[in-house]
Amino acid sequence: NAGVTQTPKFQVLKTGQSMTLQCAQDMNHNSMYWYRQDPGMGLRLIYYSASEGTTDKGEVPNGYNVSRLNKREFSLRLESAAPSQTSVYFCAIRGRQGAVGYTFGSGTRLTVV
Amino acid sequence: RKEVEQDPGPFNVPEGATVAFNCTYSNSASQSFFWYRQDCRKEPKLLMSVYSSGNEDGRFTAQLNRASQYISLLIRDSKLSDSATYLCVVGSNFGNEKLTFGTGTRLTIIP
Repeated sequence: NAGVTQTPKFQVLKTGQSMTLQCAQDMNHNSMYWYRQDPGMGLRLIYYSASEGTTDKGEVPNGYNVSRLNKREFSLRLESAAPSQTSVYFCAIRGRQGAVGYTFGSGTRLTVV
Repeated sequence: RKEVEQDPGPFNVPEGATVAFNCTYSNSASQSFFWYRQDCRKEPKLLMSVYSSGNEDGRFTAQLNRASQYISLLIRDSKLSDSATYLCVVGSNFGNEKLTFGTGTRLTIIP
């Protein structure tokens, strides 16, 4: 997906394990976001970063930490994974070509067993 | 009440038909509005922005009614490739905008 790259695409964790989801963009946008998507719940904002060096909590931040390493990269860390964190995780940046919508990465499918 | 509400469907519509989706939002201060499309096991992609005067993009027409806090999407002459989930999305402000997503309406076009 041009513009936003997420890694890994799939991951299975055991309860209590930790991992970091990576997101990198080549669009030179300031704002970056992490969402999770669960059936029947829609996309819910976990954390966002309005600019390099700043991060803020979204709707469902518990159990997660983030790092805005530089303008390009915004990572999401699960310190001690729980089955309730089984979800599809999407990184997003603000639009392109002047549009104010978001551009999403292709997602990370995480299963915690 | 959810911030953005949509009929989850599914809508099963014959090819060539016209189909309409509706969405309501609760925050009267909302400033920006979008329809996104999401294919199965893929990321959401922007379909179109929604402007106060209404706007059209080919077979797709979006309308906004601020008084009723209501957004609609009309698809004419539906194609098999239109099968997807359609997400209604609302933004709270123009500055550091955070978007709120509806849970989506699933559409299947039947040959």
